[in-house]
Amino acid sequence: DTAVSQTPKYLVTQMGNDKSIKCEQNLGHDTMYWYKQDSKKFLKIMFSYNNKELIINETVPNRFSPKSPDKAHLNLHINSLELGDSAVYFCASSHTVGRDNEQFFGPGTRLTVL
Amino acid sequence: DAKTTQPPSMDCAEGRAANLPCNHSTISGNEYVYWYRQIHSQGPQYIIHGLKNNETNEMASLIITEDRKSSTLILPHATLRDTAVYYCIVRVYGGSQGNLIFGKGTKLSVKP
Repeated sequence: DTAVSQTPKYLVTQMGNDKSIKCEQNLGHDTMYWYKQDSKKFLKIMFSYNNKELIINETVPNRFSPKSPDKAHLNLHINSLELGDSAVYFCASSHTVGRDNEQFFGPGTRLTVL
Repeated sequence: DAKTTQPPSMDCAEGRAANLPCNHSTISGNEYVYWYRQIHSQGPQYIIHGLKNNETNEMASLIITEDRKSSTLILPHATLRDTAVYYCIVRVYGGSQGNLIFGKGTKLSVKP
């Protein structure tokens, strides 16, 4: 069984479009994250949700809006896509803070903006 | 979180031990050393973590110096599937924010 899954795996779209990436975890974790890995392979945190509440919001444009309908899901919606948004986006999950919060990562979504 | 320094790349012969060093000279008393790896085109994978004692699990061993300013991740019998970028991360255990701060890591190439 897949622990952290993301859909779609690949996403190719035009500038200016709006797109969503979905993430689901079946590990019973309370905390979920979105990371961005750019073309230089740097991995950076974007958002973190704990029990459906936002706890980390790094300097990310307002065009990015995470939504957590329940503890098992954290979706990422991106408005008005730009060329610089092209990257691989990884979802991750862990137990709630205060415990051994080893993070489990999804397989990634490669977003290409043309 | 404290910064870490790792060599950009290393080679290792298949079947040999791979020893990956990490310097974290500014580590605080309540910060742990975590290791993750990222195999090409996959999400990062947790390997091991420790505070001051040496740790071992089914994947690797972690040796932390007595002054805790450096550590070494040991893959005892490297295989071709261990070729990946290895990240050494220092952070507070169960930190309030929980996010991982990734550096550039060490690209380990295991060769036949």
